[in-house]
Parts: sequence; structure tokens; C-alpha cells
Amino acid sequence: GQQLNQSPQSMFIQEGEDVSMNCTSSSIFNTWLWYKQDPGEGPVLLIALYKAGELTSNGRLTAQFGITRKDSFLNISASIPSDVGIYFCAGPDQGAQKLVFGQGTRLTINP
Amino acid sequence: DGGITQSPKYLFRKEGQNVTLSCEQNLNHDAMYWYRQDPGQGLRLIYYSQIVNDFQKGDIAEGYSVSREKKESFPLTVTSAQKNPTAFYLCASSMSQEQFFGPGTRLTVL
Repeated sequence: GQQLNQSPQSMFIQEGEDVSMNCTSSSIFNTWLWYKQDPGEGPVLLIALYKAGELTSNGRLTAQFGITRKDSFLNISASIPSDVGIYFCAGPDQGAQKLVFGQGTRLTINP
Repeated sequence: DGGITQSPKYLFRKEGQNVTLSCEQNLNHDAMYWYRQDPGQGLRLIYYSQIVNDFQKGDIAEGYSVSREKKESFPLTVTSAQKNPTAFYLCASSMSQEQFFGPGTRLTVL
């Protein structure tokens, strides 16, 4: 089946630094979704991308739908402590009404 | 307020007992989903339902059962056949491709 590979698996940064993470697949996706999960909570949808090349921002977050439709990127500018959590990418499974999720990128911020 | 509720937040059960986790949504979404998350891991799909009275197995359905008698409700039963039931369980719903998640139930089997 389809798989999504996220990298890096974990990040340890200083407060104020910019963050970049990505999600790649061997197959094409028509939609890319980025979620954030706070510790002990359910994931929250941050950004949805629907078109190849699309660049969408949500505050300090910016995500891009790769031109090849096989990857997506999420950037966080000027990180703050509340950015800590796990970031998941997801895309619709071909032929099924369900999502494929990446394994997540765990972000830790040192104040 | 519209949203997805899961109750309780924490649940403890003795080994060998069945336990049912609640998931309710008032978003009028057609589809609902159950995921399992183990510490430091990603999300694994247990069951999903596209419409009332219909559901499909996900990737790790063994030891679990569901029902979808009402659009708003999708309860998950963790049976005694599930060998390692202690985990964080997440329910989600969707109308299109975007899924929206509940706050989760942390189940601990002693």
C-alpha cells in the first residue's frame, strides 16, 4: 500500500529557530494534510494542500505541495515553546475513503 | 459547540475484560474512524465507517469490534482477544478528505 515517509523523525532546536520538515512518497497524492499533536491530545489539522506547487500559510507555519505530487514540506518560523509536539503529514489512500499517515516528526524546543 | 467527544479520558480495566470506548460527533459527518497510537508511534487504523450500518476493517482490526447504528456515534469495543490493549485510542470524523480528531482515550489494562 501507499506509504508516507517523514523526516526528520525528531528535532531538537532552540527557541526562535526556524524548522523545516518534509514528507515523501513513492506514489502520487492529490491532497496533502499537515497535523500537529500536542502531548496527550488528538491531532489538529494545521494546513491542507490541494494543488501541486501550492504554498499555503497559517500564521508562522508554511506548507508546500511538491511539484512532483510525491512530497510536501512544512516550515515553522521563529519557533516558540508551544510549537512542541508531533507533526504528521497525511494523504488520501487511493481507492479508499481513508488517510495514509506518516510516522511523525517530534519537535522539542529548548528555551 | 460542534466537535468530537471521547469519553472517558482515562480508562482502566482488568485483563480479560471487554471495554467499550465512546465516540460522538455533532458535525454531521458521514465518516468516522478509530485509530490506535502506542508511545512514540504513529497512528494505526483499526476500523472505519463511511455510512450508518456499514464499517470496514483497518490495518489492525483483530481483537476489536465496532458498531455504527447512528450517524453521530461510533463506539469501539476492545475485546479480551486483543493481546496488548494498553494504548491511546483516537476517534476521528470527516465529510471529505480532512479528518478531525477527538481528544483521545488512554486505556490501561492491568
